[in-house]
Amino acid sequence: GDSVTQMEGPVTLSEEAFLTINCTYTATGYPSLFWYVQYPGEGLQLLLKATKADDKGSNKGFEATYRKETTSFHLEKGSVQVSDSAVYFCALPTSGTYKYIFGTGTRLKVLA
Amino acid sequence: NAGVTQTPKFRVLKTGQSMTLLCAQDMNHEYMYWYRQDPGMGLRLIHYSVGEGTTAKGEVPDGYNVSRLKKQNFLLGLESAAPSQTSVYFCASRERLAGANEQFFGPGTRLTVL
Repeated sequence: GDSVTQMEGPVTLSEEAFLTINCTYTATGYPSLFWYVQYPGEGLQLLLKATKADDKGSNKGFEATYRKETTSFHLEKGSVQVSDSAVYFCALPTSGTYKYIFGTGTRLKVLA
Repeated sequence: NAGVTQTPKFRVLKTGQSMTLLCAQDMNHEYMYWYRQDPGMGLRLIHYSVGEGTTAKGEVPDGYNVSRLKKQNFLLGLESAAPSQTSVYFCASRERLAGANEQFFGPGTRLTVL
């Protein structure tokens, strides 16, 4: 069945460091792919998405490219800030249903 | 436009007590979801609804019931709370349109069962 595998955290970086959070998936067909972010004490909110192969989603300096050949959707940011400290979830809608699969989440802590 | 709201924000129950969590959305979304979030386990789907009057089981439905009597509301009930139901509960909604499949989440309800 469909699944999402996300790198485990926590990830601790210094401000202005480069960030990569890995996400790979298995799915029937070519679903849209999402990254959600959860700031402390809040619900999840959409960070970016890509709807087809080779699409690049971007928002707030974050980017992720839909790679069909490696079934990956890695999240990257060139220079993280303290305000990026949060938990990041990779997600995809399952084929033929209304349901979604979320990764286990990766906690990012950015130190000043 | 409040988006997705959840009440209450926090609750402490004793084992065996019952309660209802309320989710409301003002975006006229057809689909609504209840998830629980536990450390190291990400989000797990409890129940979901694809329209007013319809509900379906998700990944972890045992011990929970739901109702969707009005399109804008989705209620999650715990008839006899257990410590294993200590968790953070999130409600989400989305449009029916195939291309508009972003989910919108509420702020969560933190439930502790003693």
